[in-house]
Amino acid sequence: QMQLQQWGAGLLKPSETLSLTCGVHSDSFSDFYWAWIRQAPGTGLEWIGEINHGGSTVYNPSLKSRLSISVDTSKRQFSLKLSSVTAADTAIYYCAKVIVPTATRAFDIWGQGTMVTVSS
Amino acid sequence: QSVLTQPPSVSEAPKQRVTISCIGSSSNIGNNAVNWYQLLPGKTPKLLIYYDDLVPAGASDRFSGSKSGTSASLAISGLQSEDEAIYYCSAWDDSLHGVVFGGGTTLTVL
Repeated sequence: QMQLQQWGAGLLKPSETLSLTCGVHSDSFSDFYWAWIRQAPGTGLEWIGEINHGGSTVYNPSLKSRLSISVDTSKRQFSLKLSSVTAADTAIYYCAKVIVPTATRAFDIWGQGTMVTVSS
Repeated sequence: QSVLTQPPSVSEAPKQRVTISCIGSSSNIGNNAVNWYQLLPGKTPKLLIYYDDLVPAGASDRFSGSKSGTSASLAISGLQSEDEAIYYCSAWDDSLHGVVFGGGTTLTVL
């Protein structure tokens, strides 16, 4: 059973860079697309972006100027970097696997979530 | 203001059936797959339905999905107290070039 385990700093100051990594415990890493999703306190889910094993990315247009998603296939990991964070970026961040067929953009396996707080 | 519109809340008695609607447009639901998630307090989101009406492995068959035009629905039959959660729909949006979610619907089992 595939598992996703994520890690990264949970407390940031405004203007710092958020950095999270998601490790995939499975031999079939290269078969799938991978995504990041967040949920701010009291609000709904927001899609951040996605990447495949070849490094092709699609970003949420509202975050694109600050966002970078990368992949390390040899380590079966993918990472999120969001620069110049503000309090509005405070949220639970999830990594997730995109189900096949990829065109559905449905997320069937999720990481445990990381609460990231931006505060001075 | 979410791109996909869901009712803020629904409620129904145990053992009954409830439906949750998700209204979009031709750029999202009208042209792409709809997916549904369940968020229980303190838990990670769970995929209930994908590609409009498919049930993923591990999800209960008490959940079913349907779509017509630019609207989709999630039906939950045989309601149980454990179904109390927030439910979200999602779809790819061709105009925004990204995944969009509904605002979420809180289900209360009376």
